[in-house]
Amino acid sequence: TQLLEQSPQFLSIQEGENLTVYCNSSSVFSSLQWYRQEPGEGPVLLVTVVTGGEVKKLKRLTFQFGDARKDSSLHITAAQPGDTGLYLCAGDTNAGKSTFGDGTTLTVKP
Amino acid sequence: DAGVIQSPRHEVTEMGQEVTLRCKPISGHDYLFWYRQTMMRGLELLIYFNNNVPIDDSGMPEDRFSAKMPNASFSTLKIQPSEPRDSAVYFCASSLPTRSETQYFGPGTRLLVL
Repeated sequence: TQLLEQSPQFLSIQEGENLTVYCNSSSVFSSLQWYRQEPGEGPVLLVTVVTGGEVKKLKRLTFQFGDARKDSSLHITAAQPGDTGLYLCAGDTNAGKSTFGDGTTLTVKP
Repeated sequence: DAGVIQSPRHEVTEMGQEVTLRCKPISGHDYLFWYRQTMMRGLELLIYFNNNVPIDDSGMPEDRFSAKMPNASFSTLKIQPSEPRDSAVYFCASSLPTRSETQYFGPGTRLLVL
């Protein structure tokens, strides 16, 4: 069973600060996804990274896939209250199903 | 296009009762996944289907849980009999045949078993 560990588990910051959350595994993934989940809703896909070393930017969010395709990071610049939520990473092994991490709960205070 | 539709959104029942959760995937999506989310265990995959066929049900907790997908536009997850430890949010997700890793989640069913 592939295990995805996310850190930190909880993060509370002030509006305007930068932050990075991590997703680590000892297993290699063919691709990795980042989702954001808001209270009372299902997870919503933010990005998929496929190539080792790949960097993708989505406005103030920067996603990086590790060279060995075992880990990933999500960096948010100038966080806003609207960024508050649970951030989940999920790894795909080409077996048709994904393994989800336990998530990082982010709170951005105005 | 409507996203993944789940019903009911909330369910409160008593221990021992049968519970049926329903899901309509996005049209054209060949993969359908059922997840359970709790504070203690996070998001757990229960079972997933490809072209209406169950592929992996290793995440189903026990025989009290069963899932069916009679056609491409409908799936059910049934718990019989329900127990308080089954209380959780149950999500259904679907994905395209060529991008099974890109999943679109429904809004979830919040189940409370008293």
